[in-house]
Amino acid sequence: NAGVTQTPKFRILKIGQSMTLQCTQDMNHNYMYWYRQDPGMGLKLIYYSVGAGITDKGEVPNGYNVSRSTTEDFPLRLELAAPSQTSVYFCASSSRRLEAFFGQGTRLTVV
Amino acid sequence: GQQLNQSPQSMFIQEGEDVSMNCTSSSIFNTWLWYKQEPGEGPVLLIALYKAGELTSNGRLTAQFGITRKDSFLNISASIPSDVGIYFCAGENSGGSNYKLTFGKGTLLTVNP
Repeated sequence: NAGVTQTPKFRILKIGQSMTLQCTQDMNHNYMYWYRQDPGMGLKLIYYSVGAGITDKGEVPNGYNVSRSTTEDFPLRLELAAPSQTSVYFCASSSRRLEAFFGQGTRLTVV
Repeated sequence: GQQLNQSPQSMFIQEGEDVSMNCTSSSIFNTWLWYKQEPGEGPVLLIALYKAGELTSNGRLTAQFGITRKDSFLNISASIPSDVGIYFCAGENSGGSNYKLTFGKGTLLTVNP
């Protein structure tokens, strides 16, 4: 099984540009999450979803949007990229036991 | 939001030594998870704990769910160079109804061969 797959792995954006980070999982997990990781700061939750059609904000949702039209996919949208959004983004999924499985990450630089 | 205090921030040890790290909170947690992250990769789950006092092993790794439910410990015995990485604790404190984990800031482990 592929587990959690994120694309792209790397991206450079100019200030004000928009992009979508893709995430798909093949474990039939209901719960999916987006985290950002900044050096020395651990993982901060951006948005999460408990099932198709249901999303909710995490700790740091400003500047981001998500949708969950299927169980498998949970894309993260950046509408107006800002330098503060330079980070490594991780998508994860879990069952009810919350044992989250992570993708390999997307390293985003906004210049 | 909830905070997890993870210590130490970093450790430099010799191959063969044992390692201990811990995670504490001012709130009670119902689930504790320990992850390892290697450079350029996502975190990988090492051990999951669901009951106060629970002690669980995974090879050379042993983790415990503190009896007060406000802390957890991870021990690595006889460290080897491939143990290098960042170790994160994560906890959930709402009985599963919020479906969210809170992460510590990590312990960076370096093992000198």
